[in-house]
Amino acid sequence: AQKVTQAQTEISVVEKEDVTLDCVYETRDTTYYLFWYKQPPSGELVFLIRRNSFDEQNEISGRYSWNFQKSTSSFNFTITASQVVDSAVYFCALIGTNAGKSTFGDGTTLTVKP
Amino acid sequence: DAGVTQSPTHLIKTRGQQVTLRCSPISGHKSVSWYQQVLGQGPQFIFQYYEKEERGRGNFPDRFSARQFPNYSSELNVNALLLGDSALYLCASSVLAKNIQYFGAGTRLSVL
Repeated sequence: AQKVTQAQTEISVVEKEDVTLDCVYETRDTTYYLFWYKQPPSGELVFLIRRNSFDEQNEISGRYSWNFQKSTSSFNFTITASQVVDSAVYFCALIGTNAGKSTFGDGTTLTVKP
Repeated sequence: DAGVTQSPTHLIKTRGQQVTLRCSPISGHKSVSWYQQVLGQGPQFIFQYYEKEERGRGNFPDRFSARQFPNYSSELNVNALLLGDSALYLCASSVLAKNIQYFGAGTRLSVL
C-alpha cells in the first residue's frame, strides 16, 4: 500500500521568511516517482517537480528547493524568501511501479502575509 | 497549446441521478487519470486510462466508471449519486502512464 503524509496542515509566515513543507511517504515499490503540486485558490493543480527514486540529488529552481532523502522516506520542499503569491495549498504525491495508481497527501495550506 | 480541458465547470444534481464528466487531454498525451477531491483533502485517485485501456483503479464503488476514446478524450460516469459524491473532480493527462500529470481546472459537482 502507498501512503503520503503531510503532517503540517497549515503554515503561516511573513513575507521574505523561508518556509519548509514536509512530506513523508510509504511504499513497497523499489522504483517510484515523487511529485510536488501547487493548488492556488483558482483550484487548478500546477506541477512543480518530479523526482524518481534513483535520483537523490537535491534540486534548486529559483526560490524553490527540494530535499529528497530515501533513508528517511522524505521529500521536503523549501521556499526561500517567500512571497504573497506563494500562498496556496501544496500537495506531495507518489506514483509507484504500478503506474496506474497515484497517491496524494492531504496538502499543506501556506499563507504568506505581507 | 491548449491545456487539459474539462466540462462542465459546475454541475448540480440530486441524489440518485447520473452524471457524465468530460475531459480533453493535452494534444499528444495518451494517458488520462481521474481524481476526486473533497474539500480539505488531497485528490483521491479514481481511474487511469492509457491507450484506451484501464491501467489503474482506485478504491471507489462500481457506481464510478470511465472510458477513453480513440482521440484520447475521456468520460467519467457516476451512477446513483450520493450526497458524499459532492466534490471537485479533476482530470489529468500525461504522455505516458508514469510521466508528469498536467491537471485541468476540474468540475465541481454538487449533489443535493
